[in-house]
Amino acid sequence: AQTVTQSQPEMSVQEAETVTLSCTYDTSESDYYLFWYKQPPSRQMILVIRQEAYKQQNATENRFSVNFQKAAKSFSLKISDSQLGDAAMYFCAYNTGNQFYFGTGTSLTVIP
Amino acid sequence: NAGVMQNPRHLVRRRGQEARLRCSPMKGHSHVYWYRQLPEEGLKFMVYLQKENIIDESGMPKERFSAEFPKEGPSILRIQQVVRGDSAAYFCASSPHKYTEAFFGQGTRLTVV
Repeated sequence: AQTVTQSQPEMSVQEAETVTLSCTYDTSESDYYLFWYKQPPSRQMILVIRQEAYKQQNATENRFSVNFQKAAKSFSLKISDSQLGDAAMYFCAYNTGNQFYFGTGTSLTVIP
Repeated sequence: NAGVMQNPRHLVRRRGQEARLRCSPMKGHSHVYWYRQLPEEGLKFMVYLQKENIIDESGMPKERFSAEFPKEGPSILRIQQVVRGDSAAYFCASSPHKYTEAFFGQGTRLTVV
């Protein structure tokens, strides 16, 4: 079964601090892509970062970075120097080619 | 390059009516995905289309729901004889290739009264 698990329904972080959102997945595919999407109150799904499964190097995009552990099927998102605009629902997802599988999301609150 | 455009943004239908949701992918994107999101839930896959072809419709209910992506024009998700349980946000996403990231539209919120 193809599943994505986000075990933290809610997280909070002080502004300027660092927070890590967890994600594990289960797939029998050997080639796939992993993503983190952000959904603010506007409901627009915004791509935060992507990781190719065949790459060992962790992806980084400005204040956002991932810790990809392929053997453990773990794909966590680290947000550094958190800003008020980072408050949103964050979804982990992977793409095997025919569809994106999404987790249930983590709601991130940023405390001023 | 305009983003993925979905219309209408909000749609209200009475039970038994038909709902048509439109999605214009980003320029150069030939892969389209439709997802449904219920309140406080994640996104559930419905269908994956590539120009004129349905590639994977495993997430779409067998009855009342259909999707198309014609050679010309937007992709259409059609829901016939809507029921209250169809009320949800429907998102369309497009991508240039099969394995890359998808870009989402702003969604259509369907309310069935």
